[in-house]
Amino acid sequence: AQSVTQLDSQVPVFEEAPVELRCNYSSSVSVYLFWYVQYPNQGLQLLLKYLSGSTLVKSINGFEAEFNKSQTSFHLRKPSVHISDTAEYFCAVTRSGGYNKLIFGAGTRLAVHP
Amino acid sequence: EAGVTQSPTHLIKTRGQQATLRCSPISGHTSVYWYQQALGLGLQFLLWYDEGEERNRGNFPPRFSGRQFPNYSSELNVNALELEDSALYLCASSLGNRAGANVLTFGAGSRLTVL
Repeated sequence: AQSVTQLDSQVPVFEEAPVELRCNYSSSVSVYLFWYVQYPNQGLQLLLKYLSGSTLVKSINGFEAEFNKSQTSFHLRKPSVHISDTAEYFCAVTRSGGYNKLIFGAGTRLAVHP
Repeated sequence: EAGVTQSPTHLIKTRGQQATLRCSPISGHTSVYWYQQALGLGLQFLLWYDEGEERNRGNFPPRFSGRQFPNYSSELNVNALELEDSALYLCASSLGNRAGANVLTFGAGSRLTVL
């Protein structure tokens, strides 16, 4: 079985500062990894995913995440955040080649302050 | 293209009552997933339906049940409601049931409050 640990429940940061949201996973088999974002009063939206190939994956709005197999991590980073990035971010895992059921972490609330 | 739609948006019930939540997947999507998002607990996997069959369920008691209809819409039933059932219930759908290629698309959720 797979599991996900998001190490920070809340991350406060000032606008234009860099940010890293940490995610570690546990699995005895190969995995696919995902980051989803949930804006207030909305459902979850896929931010980016790692399936195979390049370990660095990027989203269209400046976020990136790097798959590190040796450290079983998939941390999310952005070099300069905006107020509009304030949201809850969820890391998720599933077994590669398996079914589509995702296992989510507890979430990290990113609060960007002016 | 319409997204995943859930109803009702909000539902208030009292302990012991039953709640029914509904989900319409994106047109053409055959897999439906239900998650519970309780305060501070992240998303907990509840149920997965695919092609009308229940394929998997999470670690929830049997009073959480559901079904998928021939048009692939789904409903989640929660019997004998308890206070801790208060949560946002999220439905997601995907085109297929294999991981990776078929991204989960989520609805906005149904917020259940049990008094």
